Amino acid sequence: NAGVTQTPKFQVLKTGQSMTLQCAQDMNHEYMSWYRQDPGMGLRLIHYSVGAGITDQGEVPNGYNVSRSTTEDFPLRLLSAAPSQTSVYFCASSSPGRGAFYEQYFGPGTRLTVT
Amino acid sequence: AQSVTQLDSQVPVFEEAPVELRCNYSSSVSVYLFWYVQYPNQGLQLLLKYLSGSTLVKGINGFEAEFNKSQTSFHLRKPSVHISDTAEYFCAVSKTGTASKLTFGTGTRLQVTL
Repeated sequence: NAGVTQTPKFQVLKTGQSMTLQCAQDMNHEYMSWYRQDPGMGLRLIHYSVGAGITDQGEVPNGYNVSRSTTEDFPLRLLSAAPSQTSVYFCASSSPGRGAFYEQYFGPGTRLTVT
Repeated sequence: AQSVTQLDSQVPVFEEAPVELRCNYSSSVSVYLFWYVQYPNQGLQLLLKYLSGSTLVKGINGFEAEFNKSQTSFHLRKPSVHISDTAEYFCAVSKTGTASKLTFGTGTRLQVTL
């Protein structure tokens, strides 16, 4: 298993450009999530999905779109990049374990800079 | 809503010394508690978790944490650290049954030196 993969690893965008951060998992996990990590702020949830065709907003969803057409993929779209979106983005997937616990597995991250 | 406070942004410690990283949480409902570790330029890895039962939880790499409900704390400890433990450590919580939505603390950078 490759686990959770993210592409690209690094990206530089100009303000106003659009792009899609890719996330894929090969563990047949139901849940997938996107977080952003900023210095001194920890990780904050952007969007999440509880299954194919179902998505919902997290703590900081503005400026981002998601869709989940397959179990494996959960892309994050930036429609018009802004410098405030400069961050490291992590994708995570999870599956039910003991009881109602879902252990999250994180990808390696995408470092995005918007100039 | 839940919140997590990690009061120490940085903790310097000498190799082979003990260390404690503090985590306090706030929630009006029952929670699961987690500690994640992030090595430089890598993703997050689960160190340990508290779901229920024994309040002393043992994790990987010799770390352990104790859940204290009355003090709403979940401090991480290791009796003897190694240089390779240098990393960022994040405490996180989720409502029971909804661990897909984690709320993270701001992180504590553990710097181990000789």
